[in-house]
Amino acid sequence: DAKTTQPTSMDCAEGRAANLPCNHSTISGNEYVYWYRQIHSQGPQYIIHGLKNNETNEMASLIITEDRKSSTLILPHATLRDTAVYYCIVRAGGSNYKLTFGKGTLLTVNP
Amino acid sequence: DTAVSQTPKYLVTQMGNDKSIKCEQNLGHDTMYWYKQDSKKFLKIMFSYNNKELIINETVPNRFSPKSPDKAHLNLHINSLELGDSAVYFCASSLTSGRNTGELFFGEGSRLTVL
Repeated sequence: DAKTTQPTSMDCAEGRAANLPCNHSTISGNEYVYWYRQIHSQGPQYIIHGLKNNETNEMASLIITEDRKSSTLILPHATLRDTAVYYCIVRAGGSNYKLTFGKGTLLTVNP
Repeated sequence: DTAVSQTPKYLVTQMGNDKSIKCEQNLGHDTMYWYKQDSKKFLKIMFSYNNKELIINETVPNRFSPKSPDKAHLNLHINSLELGDSAVYFCASSLTSGRNTGELFFGEGSRLTVL
């Protein structure tokens, strides 16, 4: 699976949009971009994933650049409960059961 | 109802002991996983079972032995515990049959402390 690069930490004001970037310049055509988050002392939580089109669900939006070398996770109205480590993961499709977590970005939402 | 539940949540034990962590999922998933998160917060996959068959076995000491009695359960037994085994162990599950998904559902973790 391709490697990802994320900033170590970011801050965001409560109520504002949080935009979390991820670089995956070596991504291949059959690899998906997944985002998870881990709130302190809890298990990781799936957020969203996409292949090449932008995706949106009740939690977030995922914007993938046309060349697929980077993506941005958007939390439209960050709350204090969104403070967590956010992981960007690239994973091949098909019968691939392995999900490899990197260091992630610690997002701190400030009041 | 808890989707993926692990027991115990906390486990403190002495070096050399043998201990088990249990995991159950009620989501009807066919694949289950064990991940280890060490003190530096790195999450690493250890094992994965699909329909009770071992499909991922990362470089893990053979003191660690997973057992899947059925699709809804994946237990982790650890022999001769060492200090370096202290970590949080997360169980997860996913539905992979006929689907392409990396959506894993994680349990709340079992914090193991070896003294």
